[in-house]
Amino acid sequence: DAGVTQSPTHLIKTRGQQVTLRCSPISGHKSVSWYQQVLGQGPQFIFQYYEKEERGRGNFPDRFSARQFPNYSSELNVNALLLGDSALYLCASSLSDRPYNSPLHFGNGTRLTVT
Amino acid sequence: KQEVTQIPAALSVPEGENLVLNCSFTDSAIYNLQWFRQDPGKGLTSLLLIQSSQREQTSGRLNASLDKSSGRSTLYIAASQPGDSATYLCAARNSNSGYALNFGKGTSLLVTP
Repeated sequence: DAGVTQSPTHLIKTRGQQVTLRCSPISGHKSVSWYQQVLGQGPQFIFQYYEKEERGRGNFPDRFSARQFPNYSSELNVNALLLGDSALYLCASSLSDRPYNSPLHFGNGTRLTVT
Repeated sequence: KQEVTQIPAALSVPEGENLVLNCSFTDSAIYNLQWFRQDPGKGLTSLLLIQSSQREQTSGRLNASLDKSSGRSTLYIAASQPGDSATYLCAARNSNSGYALNFGKGTSLLVTP
């Protein structure tokens, strides 16, 4: 079975532009989460979606938004890009939205560079 | 807010050694704790998930323990190999922020032949 797939793998954008990152969860997984990992740091939680509804949001500005589609895939949008948005963006899926028994499985991420 | 700390930040050992990676957390009201491996420039690979009711989990040469009362978890790697070289991250999932994993900064491990 395919794991979590993310596209594109790398992306270079200019300050002020907008970007859309895409994620396909493991087959059968209904929950998708997004994390941002800056170089040398642990990942930081951005969003979680389950059954197309937002179930959790981290401490990120409104420039960050996401959605989940009926096939459980997801998109993360970032508007008005800043240099500080340069990071590895990780998508994770899990079988359910129950935090106590659903391990997260991560994709290989999208490396975003803002110049 | 849950704070997760990993010590040491970096570790270099010769092949064959047994080693222990440490993870501490400030809020003991966790659902579970998950250990991950991250190779350079790559995503995270899940290694072990320990539920709050469990004391340890084992997978092959890996053993993870959890002590909620002291706010600590350890990852034990037996008979280390050069292929174990990677960054190891621990992440706690809290009952008061049930959907988010709170990560430490990781321990960068180098196993030399």
